[in-house]
Amino acid sequence: DAGITQSPRYKITETGRQVTLMCHQTWSHSYMFWYRQDLGHGLRLIYYSAAADITDKGEVPDGYVVSRSKTENFPLTLESATRSQTSVYFCASSGRPGQGASEFFGPGTRLTVL
Amino acid sequence: AQSVTQLGSHVSVSEGALVLLRCNYSSSVPPYLFWYVQYPNQGLQLLLKYTSAATLVKGINGFEAEFKKSETSFHLTKPSAHMSDAAEYFCAVREGGGADGLTFGKGTHLIIQP
Repeated sequence: DAGITQSPRYKITETGRQVTLMCHQTWSHSYMFWYRQDLGHGLRLIYYSAAADITDKGEVPDGYVVSRSKTENFPLTLESATRSQTSVYFCASSGRPGQGASEFFGPGTRLTVL
Repeated sequence: AQSVTQLGSHVSVSEGALVLLRCNYSSSVPPYLFWYVQYPNQGLQLLLKYTSAATLVKGINGFEAEFKKSETSFHLTKPSAHMSDAAEYFCAVREGGGADGLTFGKGTHLIIQP
């Protein structure tokens, strides 16, 4: 199906484990983004990517790593998960933001770190 | 630096009444402004956006918003609330040609009373 998908939808892990959240889009959008959503904070940008092999930090990048070897995929890795990383994670993609393009969001991954 | 303030973390209206969700922004350059809606356990869906064309923007589901530069506001309205409008609403800003993601407000939970 066309659109933007995330996997897994739910994940429970333990402190110190490595976790990778997957994001895939079928629109060939150049730009992709990772946000986390926490009560009282709205959504905050973790990392973004303007194209394959180009990534940059957002507002809250500490503890996260991203890569983008293919335009359609933008995985987010928690190298050593901490309880403070319990959150709902959203991936988004867009055309050219400088021209007012909208961001389209995936369904989210709910991550719990025990 | 850009920022968004949404007045009221919870807003309650009666079915059929006017819906007004407030959003004020700060931006050092002409902004792009967005309203997103989030239903329970779902991703964010774009309601409408302002990209410097018309100041009154019409969106989906009967919502509209007016950009007022002098008041740095972008309030969301709907003339007559429906039970299906109950959801979380987020206002977001992107500065001009920036490509580094959206800055979101903390969200307003809209409650519809029967």
